[in-house]
Amino acid sequence: QVLLVESGGGEVQTGRSLRLSCVASGFPFKTYGIHWVRRAPDKGLQWITFISHDGGRRDYADSVKGRFTISRDNSKNTVYLQMNTLRREDTAVYYCAKDHDDGSGELDYWGQGTRVTVSS
Amino acid sequence: EIVLTQSPATLSLSPGEGATLSCRASQSVDTYLSWYQHRPGQAPRLLIYDASNRARGIPARFSGSGSGTDFTLTISSLQPEDFGVYYCQQRDSWPPLTFGGGTKVEIK
Repeated sequence: QVLLVESGGGEVQTGRSLRLSCVASGFPFKTYGIHWVRRAPDKGLQWITFISHDGGRRDYADSVKGRFTISRDNSKNTVYLQMNTLRREDTAVYYCAKDHDDGSGELDYWGQGTRVTVSS
Repeated sequence: EIVLTQSPATLSLSPGEGATLSCRASQSVDTYLSWYQHRPGQAPRLLIYDASNRARGIPARFSGSGSGTDFTLTISSLQPEDFGVYYCQQRDSWPPLTFGGGTKVEIK
């Protein structure tokens, strides 16, 4: 059974940092790419970043480029999202999702999300 | 960036009724389009991939069609557990992956 569990969310002030984690199980983690997607209050889903199986490819949405960094530790089956210089508009539930392959762009399994609130 | 426009924004239906959801792309995405269901407090779930293929474990009442710029998700007979928000998403040209704004299917 594929399982993705996010953690690390919380309330933080604007300009501060937060690191989210996504722990995966139930599939050969080191073979697959992983995405982060967020859903802001009263808005739809927004893709924000992707990392390939070995970390050699990392893509970012323009809205987070230069502020957010994705990384992974295959020995721990974990992907991280380091979020710096947080803004109020980063307030959202953050989901990690498994890529169907290693860059297909098809998100076949998702976690339940972790909530991030950025306040002034 | 490819923009996906979903319609309608909200569908109010009764259990047992059928639902038709639309997704239009700002340029062709071939058949590289997926549909996801998102119920409150739950993980989003992949329903349809490559426009018309049901994902593993998805009931046959869900079907997808279309290619190029126009796509449809059909739910043949709504069940109580089908209410939620549905999103289309393209993977033809990325980054970025893009999602439509969503269609909320609510109980009438």
